[in-house]
Amino acid sequence: GESVGLHLPTLSVQEGDNSIINCAYSNSASDYFIWYKQESGKGPQFIIDIRSNMDKRQGQRVTVLLNKTVKHLSLQIAATQPGDSAVYFCAENLNSGYALNFGKGTSLLVTP
Amino acid sequence: NAGVTQTPKFQVLKTGQSMTLQCAQDMNHNSMYWYRQDPGMGLRLIYYSASEGTTDKGEVPNGYNVSRLNKREFSLRLESAAPSQTSVYFCASSNFRTGRDEQYFGPGTRLTVT
Repeated sequence: GESVGLHLPTLSVQEGDNSIINCAYSNSASDYFIWYKQESGKGPQFIIDIRSNMDKRQGQRVTVLLNKTVKHLSLQIAATQPGDSAVYFCAENLNSGYALNFGKGTSLLVTP
Repeated sequence: NAGVTQTPKFQVLKTGQSMTLQCAQDMNHNSMYWYRQDPGMGLRLIYYSASEGTTDKGEVPNGYNVSRLNKREFSLRLESAAPSQTSVYFCASSNFRTGRDEQYFGPGTRLTVT
């Protein structure tokens, strides 16, 4: 069954606002998590990753938070821009780097 | 660097036909993967190759075969295409042995089986 899922299939935000995309996972043995962005007609692009020995990791305008207690992952995008409109996937590592289990994705729409 | 390249970009097959999807990476990565993505869905792993000379089944391997031709190339073969294999196919590679598990994806092959 689906081990990685997203709470909301679509998210609409205004340009300049912060976006938060959530993800739940069920496998407590997962030790690596990754967020991808997929624009229409393209392959997924890496955004940020986090290992289970961390609670938070920051990148450029993005932050990933990991709550192992409730098996929850979130992606925060600061000052969302039109170019951020895409589908965002979280994925968890299930087998020491050989395979990623992807969730179904959240579609982020940034409106002017 | 071109990263991960896939050919063809688009393909239409009739039921029962066969074809091979090609994938190559120029990042000297050890591991390579084939995923399929159906409309409104995440990616599902078909097969992967942890290193040159090895291949393993993923979540949805039925109806597919793979070949890790060398370190750079990993092909996916459909022996007898079925409409259920209509999907977008993505190849990816990673260098997990360095401790970084990020997978780099190609642009995809859009396959329609009629």
